Amino acid sequence: NAGVTQTPKFRILKIGQSMTLQCAQDMNHNYMYWYRQDPGMGLKLIYYSVGAGITDKGEVPNGYNVSRSTTEDFPLRLELAAPSQTSVYFCASSYSGLDEQFFGPGTRLTVL
Amino acid sequence: RKEVEQDPGPFNVPEGATVAFNCTYSNSASQSFFWYRQDCRKEPKLLMSVYSSGNEDGRFTAQLNRASQYISLLIRDSKLSDSATYLCVVKSRWYQAGTALIFGKGTTLSVSS
Repeated sequence: NAGVTQTPKFRILKIGQSMTLQCAQDMNHNYMYWYRQDPGMGLKLIYYSVGAGITDKGEVPNGYNVSRSTTEDFPLRLELAAPSQTSVYFCASSYSGLDEQFFGPGTRLTVL
Repeated sequence: RKEVEQDPGPFNVPEGATVAFNCTYSNSASQSFFWYRQDCRKEPKLLMSVYSSGNEDGRFTAQLNRASQYISLLIRDSKLSDSATYLCVVKSRWYQAGTALIFGKGTTLSVSS
């Protein structure tokens, strides 16, 4: 049982490049979330999903897209990377909206 | 008032000390409350939920005051391993498909020998 896994661990992008941050969970959780954490700041919700095929925007969705084709996977897409997207990205999952959220180890992204 | 506000610290204490963290939240309709712990460059992990009646887990005690919209975490007999950032988390904001967690910026604790 690996829990929540994220790849890559680190990435440096140039302005305008695109990339996909991968997230997978093996706990059969319905809910999955993407957060970003800027230095000295709290985590901000980017997107979330309550099940395969269902996604919705969180607090800071601009510049990102998500999809949820399976229960296990919830990739986050950056289409045109900007320096403002330099951050640590955490994926999380929970069985329901009332349960504890389990976090992945994070992806550290730098956009130069 | 910010949605979830914490004293950022840092709190520097010697081993064995008792330290208390405070947190205030702005949404009186908030439903659930938590303390998460985040080690340096690691993911947040649930430390404990906070119940209306207050709850204790070993050296850790959490209190909730709904009238004042205030949450606290007390750590007794601090250990070196308690050094981390403690995040106050409130479940309150409703999105289309459900609630979401609102994270405070965290309070940093450094315990020294």
